[in-house]
Amino acid sequence: SQKIEQNSEALNIQEGKTATLTCNYTNYSPAYLQWYRQDPGRGPVFLLLIRENEKEKRKERLKVTFDTTLKQSLFHITASQPADSATYLCALPTFYQKVTFGTGTKLQVIP
Amino acid sequence: DVKVTQSSRYLVKRTGEKVFLECVQDMDHENMFWYRQDPGLGLRLIYFSYDVKMKEKGDIPEGYSVSREKKERFSLILESASTNQTSMYLCASSLRTSGVGEQYFGPGTRLTVT
Repeated sequence: SQKIEQNSEALNIQEGKTATLTCNYTNYSPAYLQWYRQDPGRGPVFLLLIRENEKEKRKERLKVTFDTTLKQSLFHITASQPADSATYLCALPTFYQKVTFGTGTKLQVIP
Repeated sequence: DVKVTQSSRYLVKRTGEKVFLECVQDMDHENMFWYRQDPGLGLRLIYFSYDVKMKEKGDIPEGYSVSREKKERFSLILESASTNQTSMYLCASSLRTSGVGEQYFGPGTRLTVT
């Protein structure tokens, strides 16, 4: 089965800097990969999907890359703000209509 | 606006009780999911339903059952609650697509079994 690794340690960065979060997977390369944001005590919220034939995807201050050779996706938040503080989860498709989620990386943006 | 609602935000039950967690979505989605989320373990799939009356076991179905009698409603049942079922329970739904659609989550139910 697919194993997903996200840095379990919290990432602290200064406001205005670019945050970079990593999602590594170990087995087959998926056709796409999703990123979600989760605030404490709330359900995850979908942010972006990137397909295997897309090297990069952008949405406002968010940028996702997908390197099937390295089996890695990077999630960037540029000009980070305290409101970006949350846990970010990556998710990979497994079997029919289902995904497996990583454990997430907690991002703290310090004013 | 897309919406997934769950019947309770917080629930406290005693060991051995039968517990019902309800989830309703208003997006006409075919797929519905039940997850539990525990610190350090992330989101784990309990059950999945891709259509009315259809269900599939996820990664951790033991001690749980589900019911989907209507398209918009997916219920999770703990037949006899145990303390190791204390957790955050999250319901989600998605459109049936050729790939995997984005999942829309409810606010979660924090269940404590004493």
